[in-house]
Amino acid sequence: AQSVAQPEDQVNVAEGNPLTVKCTYSVSGNPYLFWYVQYPNRGLQFLLKYITGDNLVKGSYGFEAEFNKSQTSFHLKKPSALVSDSALYFCAVRDGTGGFKTIFGAGTRLFVKA
Amino acid sequence: NAGVTQTPKFQVLKTGQSMTLQCAQDMNHNSMYWYRQDPGMGLRLIYYSASEGTTDKGEVPNGYNVSRLNKREFSLRLESAAPSQTSVYFCASSESGTEYYGYTFGSGTRLTVV
Repeated sequence: AQSVAQPEDQVNVAEGNPLTVKCTYSVSGNPYLFWYVQYPNRGLQFLLKYITGDNLVKGSYGFEAEFNKSQTSFHLKKPSALVSDSALYFCAVRDGTGGFKTIFGAGTRLFVKA
Repeated sequence: NAGVTQTPKFQVLKTGQSMTLQCAQDMNHNSMYWYRQDPGMGLRLIYYSASEGTTDKGEVPNGYNVSRLNKREFSLRLESAAPSQTSVYFCASSESGTEYYGYTFGSGTRLTVV
């Protein structure tokens, strides 16, 4: 069965510093991996995805994520955090065997302090 | 550019009452989904519809029913609401249920069952 773990409930970072939000996954086939962001009282917004190819994928708002097959990880990164990046971030995985279900992690709350 | 529209945004029900949550998308997407979001648990899939005319159970279908009315609309019905169904409900759509398409989410329905 597929699963996603986000080991940190909360990440705190100062504005201008790099940020990392961690995600590990488990799937039976090739993984399709996603990051979403949720701002207060809003639905989730798609940030980026990894399907195949380059292990470093770039997405919206300057975010990127690094796929590491040996460590089954897909960490979200940004070189320089902004206060406006403060939000709830969700990692998600879809089983590449053709299943229709996407499984979401529990979410990590990011606080960026000015 | 409406995307995914959910109604209502807020609802309070008494235990045992019924209601239908409405969802409509204007992106000509084939697949639609209903998730519930609970603190510390991320998003859990209730039901999904891979294409018009089909529906399938997700992780937590008990107490819910769905109808894929047409390609645009996918409704979620609570026949006899219970306090355990207090949650935020999100509808989402994707171009296809297969492979690697990200989801577009609605802004959510906050449901309280008293």
